[in-house]
Amino acid sequence: GAVVSQHPSWVICKSGTSVKIECRSLDFQATTMFWYRQFPKQSLMLMATSNEGSKATYEQGVEKDKFLINHASLTLSTLTVTSAHPEDSSFYICSARVHNEQFFGPGTRLTVL
Amino acid sequence: QKEVEQNSGPLSVPEGAIASLNCTYSDRVSQSFFWYRQYSGKSPELIMSIYSNGDKEDGRFTAQLNKASQYVSLLIRDSQPSDSATYLCAVIPLYQAGTALIFGKGTTLSVSS
Repeated sequence: GAVVSQHPSWVICKSGTSVKIECRSLDFQATTMFWYRQFPKQSLMLMATSNEGSKATYEQGVEKDKFLINHASLTLSTLTVTSAHPEDSSFYICSARVHNEQFFGPGTRLTVL
Repeated sequence: QKEVEQNSGPLSVPEGAIASLNCTYSDRVSQSFFWYRQYSGKSPELIMSIYSNGDKEDGRFTAQLNKASQYVSLLIRDSQPSDSATYLCAVIPLYQAGTALIFGKGTTLSVSS
């Protein structure tokens, strides 16, 4: 299958700081990438759909000013959690689709102190 | 509202047995169906995709699709302890490049040795 990478794999930050998570498609070009969040023992929640060269589409209830998404190239999308708070601590996973199949990055575990 | 339903489990089977995981979906026009495996603390991994009615086999895994009944299942033969994970059923209502997967909440499988 296609390979999606994420960086960093984990991050610990202080409350009020911003954190950037990178998502890269390594062996294919992705015009569309998806960002999910998963809290412990809960299901995946789609946060937003990231489109190369245009604004992201956010799901209802997701603050677009808090979770900034930039999809500047066909292989890179970034998610920036601005002014992070402890309730933003979660597992953030990006995903990209190729040939109708969707592949996930390894995820980024964010802990906000 | 489009929904994907799964029994949360846990489903417990002994090593070597067949594990049967089931999923129903509400959107009759759904065309693409997927099974993902997610180990605790890891991101989902695509294990099967199925688009046509009937069975699709890949190694120890068999996906079954019945569009008339809006039902998709995953059989795991010769279950191994390493198969213990959460299995997520996912659906794309109609193939569109920008449409995110709709996930069920997952079924937890436990294979005892």
